[in-house]
Amino acid sequence: EADIYQTPRYLVIGTGKKITLECSQTMGHDKMYWYQQDPGMELHLIHYSYGVNSTEKGDLSSESTVSRIRTEHFPLTLESARPSHTSQYLCASSVRDRAGNEQFFGPGTRLTVL
Amino acid sequence: AQSVAQPEDQVNVAEGNPLTVKCTYSVSGNPYLFWYVQYPNRGLQFLLKYITGDNLVKGSYGFEAEFNKSQTSFHLKKPSALVSDSALYFCAVRARVGYNQGGKLIFGQGTELSVKP
Repeated sequence: EADIYQTPRYLVIGTGKKITLECSQTMGHDKMYWYQQDPGMELHLIHYSYGVNSTEKGDLSSESTVSRIRTEHFPLTLESARPSHTSQYLCASSVRDRAGNEQFFGPGTRLTVL
Repeated sequence: AQSVAQPEDQVNVAEGNPLTVKCTYSVSGNPYLFWYVQYPNRGLQFLLKYITGDNLVKGSYGFEAEFNKSQTSFHLKKPSALVSDSALYFCAVRARVGYNQGGKLIFGQGTELSVKP
């Protein structure tokens, strides 16, 4: 079944740890996105990708980094997690060829940094 | 700059009554407009979108939205609310500047809909 997956769903870690949030989609979409959703519920785009080997920073500055080595995989990495990184992280994907296409979202990863 | 405003943080409706969740936008040129719903501890689910054509758009779960260009609004509506409609609703906009602009969506701040029995 075509879908978008995120792991882990929940993660609690200590300050200074390196973490990678996984995002995979089986829909064959070229475009992928990472959003950060703060406790006030707003969504902020932090990274996006047009396709393999393409990554761009989003509207909200983030200390995280992303990579896009395979079409279906768009992991997000924090080299040294801090309490300010505590948030929900949502991954999304969409078809490339038309701007009117909707984005499909994964279930999210809720990150807590102690 | 593109922006979306959802003026109500929370909307309370009795089950069976009609509901409206408001959204206004600001974008250069004609917009693409979207509504998403988020249930607790879940990602966003697509409800409906306006691309072109008929100003009244019908979507999933009986929801519809009306595009009003003069008022720059895209309010979400449902004739008869269900308790199961209780969730967080997001309006989003994207400008028509070509698909190579990253397809970035600008989201509103969200409106929490509460439907009571």
